[in-house]
Amino acid sequence: AQSVTQPDIHITVSEGASLELRCNYSYGATPYLFWYVQSPGQGLQLLLKYFSGDTLVQGIKGFEAEFKRSQSSFNLRKPSVHWSDAAEYFCAAGGGNKLTFGTGTQLKVEL
Amino acid sequence: NAGVMQNPRHLVRRRGQEARLRCSPMKGHSHVYWYRQLPEEGLKFMVYLQKENIIDESGMPKERFSAEFPKEGPSILRIQQVVRGDSAAYFCASSPPGGQAKNIQYFGAGTRLSVL
Repeated sequence: AQSVTQPDIHITVSEGASLELRCNYSYGATPYLFWYVQSPGQGLQLLLKYFSGDTLVQGIKGFEAEFKRSQSSFNLRKPSVHWSDAAEYFCAAGGGNKLTFGTGTQLKVEL
Repeated sequence: NAGVMQNPRHLVRRRGQEARLRCSPMKGHSHVYWYRQLPEEGLKFMVYLQKENIIDESGMPKERFSAEFPKEGPSILRIQQVVRGDSAAYFCASSPPGGQAKNIQYFGAGTRLSVL
């Protein structure tokens, strides 16, 4: 069965520190991969996507993600976190008909 | 360009009533998807529609739930005889008609359904 795993439910970082959010997927073939961010009471905003090609993809708000086929991972990174980055982050896989989402990682930023 | 528009943003229903959730896709998008988010969980796929056609409803509960995307007007997710367990946030997404871009889904702000 297709699945996406985000092993960290909550992460707390200090403002200015680096960030890495983990995502692993289980699919029959390499799916399209996405990271979305959700602020409280809001919808999901697309941060970045991976379809093929360069395994390091750049997104909005200074985020990037690296696709590693050997580890079935698509981890999200940011070199320096801002207080406004506090939100819930969802990794998703799929394309075409539907997306399969992870359960999300809640990011808290300490000032 | 307006994004994906969902209304209402909040909906309160009593058990046994009907809930109708509306979604207008982004301009030029012909694919609509509905997802449900239960508290403390990720989004779960419900249904994928194109104009006048249901393409994939593998995530829809077998009873009480239906969806449509008519030739004119918004997509509607309808829940009949709501129960407390239907309380959740329902998100709609849309994607453009063709090419690789059709694999990118853009989400609305959601409808938060509360069943009393």
